[in-house]
Amino acid sequence: DAGVIQSPRHEVTEMGQEVTLRCKPISGHDYLFWYRQTMMRGLELLIYFNNNVPIDDSGMPEDRFSAKMPNASFSTLKIQPSEPRDSAVYFCASRTGTDEKLFFGSGTQLSVL
Amino acid sequence: QKEVEQNSGPLSVPEGAIASLNCTYSDRVSQSFFWYRQYSGKSPELIMSIYSNGDKEDGRFTAQLNKASQYVSLLIRDSQPSDSATYLCAVIFSGSARQLTFGSGTQLTVLP
Repeated sequence: DAGVIQSPRHEVTEMGQEVTLRCKPISGHDYLFWYRQTMMRGLELLIYFNNNVPIDDSGMPEDRFSAKMPNASFSTLKIQPSEPRDSAVYFCASRTGTDEKLFFGSGTQLSVL
Repeated sequence: QKEVEQNSGPLSVPEGAIASLNCTYSDRVSQSFFWYRQYSGKSPELIMSIYSNGDKEDGRFTAQLNKASQYVSLLIRDSQPSDSATYLCAVIFSGSARQLTFGSGTQLTVLP
């Protein structure tokens, strides 16, 4: 398996623009997580899905952030409008329902100018 | 609020020495504890998990858990420059639906 695949690897955008981050989890994993990592706040859980259903979005910072999982092999995290304080590395991760081992994608480095 | 605390470092040790990384957590009834390693510019990867009090060894790595003191540590024996990374402690708190809460990480540098 290719592991968790995220795109793009880097995104540079201007304040106010819409940003869409993409994730393909490992096949057979029924949990998908979106994390954000910054120097100040470390690794924060934004939202997670179980069998494509959002379970807990309490970590989503505000209404500008939204996430979807239309099928078992694809998820998106959207920021609209983006702000400079959204600059961070965004990780997607997945795991099975029976194993707590989390597999991370390579992350998206987002810079909002 | 349930928290995982780590000394952010940086921690420097000479090659061949034992590196000791520490983590405390706020919920006495937590059951599952993990250490992730994150190289600069890379994603976290799981290196150890521990569920019971005591020590768990895997090669040069030993995880130690003391639930009474709410303390988990990671020892790296015979440290190598390739061990230089940030080490993240993660805990599954009770009532968290088995979701991980991460500490802020300890940056380790092994000096050749």
